[in-house]
Amino acid sequence: GNSVTQMEGPVTLSEEAFLTINCTYTATGYPSLFWYVQYPGEGLQLLLKATKADDKGSNKGFEATYRKETTSFHLEKGSVQVSDSAVYFCALNMNTGFQKLVFGTGTRLLVSP
Amino acid sequence: ETGVTQSPTHLIKTRGQQVTLRCSSQSGHNTVSWYQQALGQGPQFIFQYYREEENGRGNFPPRFSGLQFPNYSSELNVNALELDDSALYLCASSLSRGETQYFGPGTRLLVL
Repeated sequence: GNSVTQMEGPVTLSEEAFLTINCTYTATGYPSLFWYVQYPGEGLQLLLKATKADDKGSNKGFEATYRKETTSFHLEKGSVQVSDSAVYFCALNMNTGFQKLVFGTGTRLLVSP
Repeated sequence: ETGVTQSPTHLIKTRGQQVTLRCSSQSGHNTVSWYQQALGQGPQFIFQYYREEENGRGNFPPRFSGLQFPNYSSELNVNALELDDSALYLCASSLSRGETQYFGPGTRLLVL
């Protein structure tokens, strides 16, 4: 079946460090890909998305590029802030007429001053 | 513009009881999806409602059921609660069936 694999956390960084959170997927077909962020005690917020190969999603300094050849959608940010501390979820949708998101297990990011 | 809202925020039930969770979709959105997020896990798709009809279902037993109303708000009902039903229940709305989903803050259910 379709699945998403994320790097295990927590990822611990100092403020202004470079961030990479790895995400790979398995899917029969060409999914849309998403990153959602969950702050403590809250629901999920859409961070960025990409709908086809080589698309780059970006928002709030975060970027991810849809790589079909490596089935990956790694999240990056050049300079993290303490306020970026949260759990990040990679997800896919198979575009089958209804959107059933398949999520990874999440990666916790901890940024210290 | 009001986002997705859910009620209640927290709930405690005992095993065997029934629970109803509520969701109001974002203005203009006609599709609602429900997800279960166990502690430390990613959300799992329960089902989706589009224009008051179930439009897709995940691997959840029939004791998980739902409704969507003419104003596109939705309910999730769980009968015969089990300890493993303890989780954060997330509702998401979208403009239509295949569109990007926007999530509410969730209802945290604890089953004792």
